[in-house]
Amino acid sequence: GAVVSQHPSWVICKSGTSVKIECRSLDFQATTMFWYRQFPKQSLMLMATSNEGSKATYEQGVEKDKFLINHASLTLSTLTVTSAHPEDSSFYICSASGSKAYEQYFGPGTRLTVT
Amino acid sequence: DQQVKQNSPSLSVQEGRISILNCDYTNSMFDYFLWYKKYPAEGPTFLISISSIKDKNEDGRFTVFLNKSAKHLSLHIVPSQPGDSAVYFCAASETSGTYKYIFGTGTRLKVLA
Repeated sequence: GAVVSQHPSWVICKSGTSVKIECRSLDFQATTMFWYRQFPKQSLMLMATSNEGSKATYEQGVEKDKFLINHASLTLSTLTVTSAHPEDSSFYICSASGSKAYEQYFGPGTRLTVT
Repeated sequence: DQQVKQNSPSLSVQEGRISILNCDYTNSMFDYFLWYKKYPAEGPTFLISISSIKDKNEDGRFTVFLNKSAKHLSLHIVPSQPGDSAVYFCAASETSGTYKYIFGTGTRLKVLA
């Protein structure tokens, strides 16, 4: 149980375009979903927290107009990187928590490369 | 300001021996802790958790110890197996509605056969 999927697993896009990443909880209802970013050989950095049906809460320093988060249902959250630039290239990981709020289950991650 | 620190970037252990991974934190409001295992280009896999009301939690080969006064936790893996080779992250959160975890920088464990 507690499986989280992400799609796509990797994506290459041109500078200036937008990319959407999906995060789905497959076998549980995710009350809260989280989006993280990881640079090579660094830790996971929390970008934002989203609850189903409400606006996401962004961490300090994360541009909400650049990283659009939609948590439309209890099993789906999306992250859209708008007007992507090469510095947005990174590994993006989502996680989800359900009835046990203290447990978070992570997706496999999405490697974004902006050329 | 790194609130959660894993001071050992890497650790090598012989198969069958004990692996001890350490984690220190600075925020005294943290009261829930998780350990994750991560392979390259994959998402973290949950291993074990501990809340501040306990000082030890055990699950199979994995045991987590918490020393609140020292703001220190450790993960013990006994016996270590080659398949345990991965990067291990500790994460800490306050218990305040939404659990927003702060992750350490990770320790790369290599278990030698």
